[in-house]
Amino acid sequence: AQKITQTQPGMFVQEKEAVTLDCTYDTSDPSYGLFWYKQPSSGEMIFLIYQGSYDQQNATEGRYSLNFQKARKSANLVISASQLGDSAMYFCAMREGVHTGTASKLTFGTGTRLQVTL
Amino acid sequence: ETGVTQTPRHLVMGMTNKKSLKCEQHLGHNAMYWYKQSAKKPLELMFVYSLEERVENNSVPSRFSPECPNSSHLFLHLHTLQPEDSALYLCASSQGRGGSSYNEQFFGPGTRLTVL
Repeated sequence: AQKITQTQPGMFVQEKEAVTLDCTYDTSDPSYGLFWYKQPSSGEMIFLIYQGSYDQQNATEGRYSLNFQKARKSANLVISASQLGDSAMYFCAMREGVHTGTASKLTFGTGTRLQVTL
Repeated sequence: ETGVTQTPRHLVMGMTNKKSLKCEQHLGHNAMYWYKQSAKKPLELMFVYSLEERVENNSVPSRFSPECPNSSHLFLHLHTLQPEDSALYLCASSQGRGGSSYNEQFFGPGTRLTVL
């Protein structure tokens, strides 16, 4: 079974509108972390936002917020006031367990391509 | 140079060639990673190095050989590759212990590899 599922291969949003990118996850570990990354056409993965499984509040980072619904195992990314520069691939990823040693192992979803239009 | 750099950015090689991909991180991190990104597939974690010691090898074929001479540098040596190995190869690093509670990974721009 896939650990991270992103069901939207592509999304369109008009500039200045908000958009929600879906992510569901599967784990039996009570301790985990969820990440969202942005990958522009240049290829580099850019870290956007993090949500820990024990965090009481939804994470926010500027125009990015994470709609964390633990019981439903979903961690949707909300981008408010979309900009043309937001056009990119967006990946949801999960780390299970607390840090083991010094490295963290991430499992990624297949991504959602977001296109922001005028 | 800042962040995570990768060279070359593009590489075309024949199946009998030997080449190496280089990754360098300027963030003082102590863990480094190699990922493979193929079209329409999730990123695949290939290797993980923690404090210069390999801690993960996800059943990667032996035609891929990693090397981590120090905590700032990571190499991926390639030999007798197959056309299905064509992909974007991404390097990442993370702080590990003593860093942020996120321990997020910072990625380089990748090497676009084409095997003919």
